[in-house]
Amino acid sequence: EAGVAQSPRYKIIEKRQSVAFWCNPISGHATLYWYQQILGQGPKLLIQFQNNGVVDDSQLPKDRFSAERLKGVDSTLKIQPAKLEDSAVYLCASSLDSTPPGLASYNEQFFGPGTRLTVL
Amino acid sequence: QKEVEQNSGPLSVPEGAIASLNCTYSDRGSQSFFWYRQYSGKSPELIMSIYSNGDKEDGRFTAQLNKASQYVSLLIRDSQPSDSATYLCAVNMGVISGAGSYQLTFGKGTKLSVIP
Repeated sequence: EAGVAQSPRYKIIEKRQSVAFWCNPISGHATLYWYQQILGQGPKLLIQFQNNGVVDDSQLPKDRFSAERLKGVDSTLKIQPAKLEDSAVYLCASSLDSTPPGLASYNEQFFGPGTRLTVL
Repeated sequence: QKEVEQNSGPLSVPEGAIASLNCTYSDRGSQSFFWYRQYSGKSPELIMSIYSNGDKEDGRFTAQLNKASQYVSLLIRDSQPSDSATYLCAVNMGVISGAGSYQLTFGKGTKLSVIP
């Protein structure tokens, strides 16, 4: 079974430029998550989709970040304009999930390789 | 604010010893608990999940959960240099209303170093 795919793996941009990241979850996984991980910290959730709907985007800086999952499969996260403090690894994860909650193992989240963003 | 606390370490153990990693969480209603291993420059890898009080063993790994004390731990027996990594504790603090979907709150991770 193929894992979560992300691209690009690395990106270097200057502040005020824009950047986009792409994620393709594990086949059949309903829920997709975007996390930001700053060096020395645990992943912080930015946005969660279930199928093509947003479940939670309360921690997404909406003045500069946007994300979409139009067909309920792959997703794009965009930053425009980027700031120095956006330098981090952007991780995409997916999980099977069920509604209503079923087997607990459906909630296990699996991560992609991440995109390391450096803003100069 | 829902929090997950871990000792950041580094925790150093000699090869062959037992490594003990600890985690506490703030939300008494938390449902599911996970341990992820993250090698330097890599993404987190799920190694253990635990859902009920007690112990769960998988190879050299044992997860322990005590919901009354709001405490979860990971034991690594016969530690190997290849176990050297940062271990992230993640806690599912309940279902998002109306969505039937879950979120994880991560600790900052404990860096483990296994000395040959």
